[in-house]
Parts: sequence; structure tokens; C-alpha cells
Amino acid sequence: KNEVEQSPQNLTAQEGEFITINCSYSVGISALHWLQQHPGGGIVSLFMLSSGKKKHGRLIATINIQEKHSSLHITASHPRDSAVYICAVSSNYKLTFGKGTLLTVNP
Amino acid sequence: DGGITQSPKYLFRKEGQNVTLSCEQNLNHDAMYWYRQDPGQGLRLIYYSQIVNDFQKGDIAEGYSVSREKKESFPLTVTSAQKNPTAFYLCASSQIPGRKQNTGELFFGEGSRLTVL
Repeated sequence: KNEVEQSPQNLTAQEGEFITINCSYSVGISALHWLQQHPGGGIVSLFMLSSGKKKHGRLIATINIQEKHSSLHITASHPRDSAVYICAVSSNYKLTFGKGTLLTVNP
Repeated sequence: DGGITQSPKYLFRKEGQNVTLSCEQNLNHDAMYWYRQDPGQGLRLIYYSQIVNDFQKGDIAEGYSVSREKKESFPLTVTSAQKNPTAFYLCASSQIPGRKQNTGELFFGEGSRLTVL
């Protein structure tokens, strides 16, 4: 069983919809990262959090340490949000990655 | 602007050849990492380094080698011993979490796609 599980694997939405991507993990962590990978392959760090909630523009990330669960929300989704979203957890300087969620936002 | 530069973006190799992928960062980060990405799988750690002249094996180090002679540079060599080298390779860097003012946020390069012919 992968230590980091993401759901859903694939998600298709219409422009303007509210989107949620979930991440569950099974190990103790020092931080959780949400990353965005565009079709060209480059990866951008969206959030790094160890508790609570962070917001950047239309993106919101939350984490519940007790439940070992994090969510990434996108409000008012746009076609340019189409990408693979990856959850990764860090523990003892080692990162473990989820397999990613492919998000497609249609106009 | 500060960032990480990987080169080449695309690389083709014949079986039996060694190839070296370059990774350079001007972020003054102590830690650098090499990951491999295959379709349908999460990124897997090949090697990492937290300080110059020191590096550690990751989960899939067999068939790969690295060096860290300068803080800014962490090249990865894919040797002929790597049985299935066709993949997308990503380099990343970060400050060491826990040190003063270090957040541990990750920065990635644009990746290098290696194809073995």
C-alpha cells in the first residue's frame, strides 16, 4: 500500500466549478506539500503546510494531522488550472509522493 | 531570477552508453535531490545531498551516480548498469528544514526526458 494516497486519480470539471482533491497518508510527517505539474513536466510548489490552512489566490490547502488527511481546493476553476496535482509528505528529510491527480477543466 | 536549471530537456541514448544530466541552482540551497518519474507512479528518489561533497542513496539508486563538488551543482549520471533508464528525471532543491529561516519549501527544475533507443 502506498504511503500517500490521492483521490480522485482523474477529475474533469467545468469552468467555474469548485474542486477538491484529497490526500491521505499513513506515516508521521513534518510537513505536507502540494505540487502542480503542467504538461511540459515542470513542477511548481503550491503549498507547504504542517497544520491548519493556507490560502493563495483561488487555492486553499488544509491539513488535519490527527486524521492524516489533507485537501486542496480550487475555487472558480479555470482551464488554466488543468494540470497534475501531486501531494507529497516529508519525514526525516525524505519525501514520499502520491501518484497525482489529473485535473482537466473544460471551458 | 533564482531557480533551478536542468539540461538537456530531451536526451536520447543508445544502450550501453552513460549519460549525464545537469542540475544547477542559484538559490543558495543546501539540499538537492534527483527524482525519477514513470507513468502512473509517484516520483521516486534516486539520490540526495544535504551538503557539498556528501550524498546519500535514495530508494532507486542502482545504476545511477552523482557528485556534489559545488553547492550549486548536482549532476546525475545514468550508467549502462541502469536496466530501464527511459524516464522523466526531475531535480529539486530546498533549504534544510529546521534551520533558522529555512522553510523547507521545494523548488523543481523543468525536468529532463531520457529515451534509450
